Amino acid sequence: DQQVKQNSPSLSVQEGRISILNCDYTNSMFDYFLWYKKYPAEGPTFLISISSIKDKNEDGRFTVFLNKSAKHLSLHIVPSQPGDSAVYFCAASDPSGYNKLIFGAGTRLAVHP
Amino acid sequence: DAGITQSPRYKITETGRQVTLMCHQTWSHSYMFWYRQDLGHGLRLIYYSAAADITDKGEVPDGYVVSRSKTENFPLTLESATRSQTSVYFCASSERGPEQYFGPGTRLTVT
Repeated sequence: DQQVKQNSPSLSVQEGRISILNCDYTNSMFDYFLWYKKYPAEGPTFLISISSIKDKNEDGRFTVFLNKSAKHLSLHIVPSQPGDSAVYFCAASDPSGYNKLIFGAGTRLAVHP
Repeated sequence: DAGITQSPRYKITETGRQVTLMCHQTWSHSYMFWYRQDLGHGLRLIYYSAAADITDKGEVPDGYVVSRSKTENFPLTLESATRSQTSVYFCASSERGPEQYFGPGTRLTVT
């Protein structure tokens, strides 16, 4: 059973508007969450993270929100740019240790002019 | 160049053959990981290593073997390749925190 779920396989947004990517998780022991961005034929690159003791973390155009009671996090991109078109993976730090991550299935974001 | 590299980038092999995917990192990170990426599944952990000579199974280890005799190298071997192992394979490394740094990937096709 997937512990980290990204229920929207794809999202299309107009340039300049807000992109909201969602992620749900089932394990309340997760204490750290990360978002990765992946372009075709490249490896995933780290984008932004949030600790479970916070409810918001912001880095430029990217903001991650965490709702622990709902076991839900979201990534907001404002304003969206065509270069943001990529696959976005949500990940949670495995509480069993060893720096392991558990990934969602990914959401493909397309930002069109 | 510094960073994490994978070789080959593309590989086509036949069912039943043994194939080894290479991963090399120059940061001296303690932790290294192998993932496979398949449509609808995201990134699934195959094997991980906490240090040289310390390895353990991840979520989908069947059919794969790893070794880590040196900190900087973490090869992944498919002992007898099957079509279900057609995938994109990513190697990653990390040190203190959970943030992992990924290589560019190897696209493997098993015919």
